[in-house]
Amino acid sequence: GAVVSQHPSRVICKSGTSVKIECRSLDFQATTMFWYRQFPKKSLMLMATSNEGSKATYEQGVEKDKFLINHASLTLSTLTVTSAHPEDSSFYICSARDGSAYEQYFGPGTRLTVT
Amino acid sequence: GQQVMQIPQYQHVQEGEDFTTYCNSSTTLSNIQWYKQRPGGHPVFLIQLVKSGEVKKQKRLTFQFGEAKKNSSLHITATQTTDVGTYFCAGLRYNFNKFYFGSGTKLNVKP
Repeated sequence: GAVVSQHPSRVICKSGTSVKIECRSLDFQATTMFWYRQFPKKSLMLMATSNEGSKATYEQGVEKDKFLINHASLTLSTLTVTSAHPEDSSFYICSARDGSAYEQYFGPGTRLTVT
Repeated sequence: GQQVMQIPQYQHVQEGEDFTTYCNSSTTLSNIQWYKQRPGGHPVFLIQLVKSGEVKKQKRLTFQFGEAKKNSSLHITATQTTDVGTYFCAGLRYNFNKFYFGSGTKLNVKP
């Protein structure tokens, strides 16, 4: 099946710094990528939809200036958490979709801890 | 907001017992997907349902999509310890390009 990688898998940063998370589709071209946030024992909360070459579409309540998303190519999307605070600590997961197919392929996730 | 509800939140069963999780949407869905997330892992796609009243089977798993395309269920027959994990439904609304996940049902199977 299609493979999506995410880097880093874990990151610890200090409050006030920025962290970039990469999401890559390894063996297919992802026209659309999604970024989710998952709190412990909770469901996946969709943060934004990222389309290659255009601005990301953010869900209600998600600050676009805080969570910067760039989808520069058909295989790479990045999420930058700017001026991170402890409440931003969470599990961030990306998923990618191949063209018109609706199946999503999920990355392994990134555990962010802000101290 | 996200409007896909899922019950129950948790289910503990003895190995060999059946298990069912239900997903309900306040709006009609274009299609629905089911995912399984093992502890410490990421969601893995199981199946997609598109047609009203559709029923699909994967070995011991049976997936149904309601006639009104507002609800869905996943039934596991004779659970095994390998079925442990959290099962999520994800609904796609018409004219939307994204899926909204249900709250998930965490299944624990006692050997």
